[in-house]
Amino acid sequence: DAKTTQPPSMDCAEGRAANLPCNHSTISGNEYVYWYRQIHSQGPQYIIHGLKNNETNEMASLIITEDRKSSTLILPHATLRDTAVYYCIVRVRTGANNLFFGTGTRLTVIP
Amino acid sequence: GAVVSQHPSWVICKSGTSVKIECRSLDFQATTMFWYRQFPKQSLMLMATSNEGSKATYEQGVEKDKFLINHASLTLSTLTVTSAHPEDSSFYICSARTGGLNNEQFFGPGTRLTVL
Repeated sequence: DAKTTQPPSMDCAEGRAANLPCNHSTISGNEYVYWYRQIHSQGPQYIIHGLKNNETNEMASLIITEDRKSSTLILPHATLRDTAVYYCIVRVRTGANNLFFGTGTRLTVIP
Repeated sequence: GAVVSQHPSWVICKSGTSVKIECRSLDFQATTMFWYRQFPKQSLMLMATSNEGSKATYEQGVEKDKFLINHASLTLSTLTVTSAHPEDSSFYICSARTGGLNNEQFFGPGTRLTVL
């Protein structure tokens, strides 16, 4: 699976949009971009995934660049409960291959 | 999304004893389950991958005789930490893969193990 690079930490004001970048310049054509988050002392929570097109669900939006070498997770209106470590992972969707977690981005939402 | 449970959520044990942690997929059958370990302020590290009815595949550096994994059914996997020592104190997280076309992976809430 391709490696990802994320900033170690970010702050965001409550109610504002949080934009979390991820670089995955070595992504392969069949690899998806996945985002998970981990709130303190809990298991990772799935947020969203995509292949080429931008995706949106009730939690977030995922913007993938045209060359697929980077992406941005957007939390439109951050709340204090969004404070967590956010992991960007690329993986092939089929098969039994594992999700490899990097160091992620620690997002702190400030009141 | 699909639900994965773990039991217990936390456990404290004496050094030298064994501890069993259960992982269940509650509303789906998991073809593959994973066990991770997470030390404070570190990321998740994969320990082993297990498929129902077959032996687990351990990552390099993980002792298979110390961390026994049993994937007896499509909804249950267990991790037994044998002869636990204080350095085994960690946050253990299981994950289950749905398989099929979607093949998504969902995580349990984790088990905090403290070995005294």
